[in-house]
Amino acid sequence: EPEVTQTPSHQVTQMGQEVILRCVPISNHLYFYWYRQILGQKVEFLVSFYNNEISEKSEIFDDQFSVERPDGSNFTLKIRSTKLEDSAMYFCASRISMYEQYFGPGTRLTVT
Amino acid sequence: DAKTTQPPSMDCAEGRAANLPCNHSTISGNEYVYWYRQIHSQGPQYIIHGLKNNETNEMASLIITEDRKSSTLILPHATLRDTAVYYCIVRPGSSNTGKLIFGQGTTLQVKP
Repeated sequence: EPEVTQTPSHQVTQMGQEVILRCVPISNHLYFYWYRQILGQKVEFLVSFYNNEISEKSEIFDDQFSVERPDGSNFTLKIRSTKLEDSAMYFCASRISMYEQYFGPGTRLTVT
Repeated sequence: DAKTTQPPSMDCAEGRAANLPCNHSTISGNEYVYWYRQIHSQGPQYIIHGLKNNETNEMASLIITEDRKSSTLILPHATLRDTAVYYCIVRPGSSNTGKLIFGQGTTLQVKP
């Protein structure tokens, strides 16, 4: 069964550094998402992406964040200058139908 | 903010049916009810969705009341692997972005 993959599984970075989280959505999917989950808290929507542009973003998704689909398979989330409060699990998701979203296993980002 | 109310936790004996309630008293006519679950810290997993009719798939059944103000997710024969946080989400079917707004969910503990 096709699945969403994410790399790396765990990223440790120093405050102020740039990080890029990578996702490979399911191949025929058209809508792409990033969510995050701070330890012990609920899953939060960050951004949705369709037709090579952002379709919606949350208040969390400020100028420090950007997304890109550089080729036909990858979908990336960049954080330009990480802060301690960016430490979280980041989940990528994709969908083709209007119903199910398929989530990846997540990248645990630790900012020190 | 999430438009649903769920009990924070429930227990279920292995092999028995798990019935997880959700209140969505302010649901609009075009909003669907979705259920996802999150096992430990994995990515959320789609379970089932419905508009007004009861639905069943290989994972679960969804019972929606006639007034659509509440629903119940039924896992017919719960196993230890069904221990997870279960999220009830309402969302317009025609939403362009398809973002999911997660609440705190119900932590289901399946016990041997």
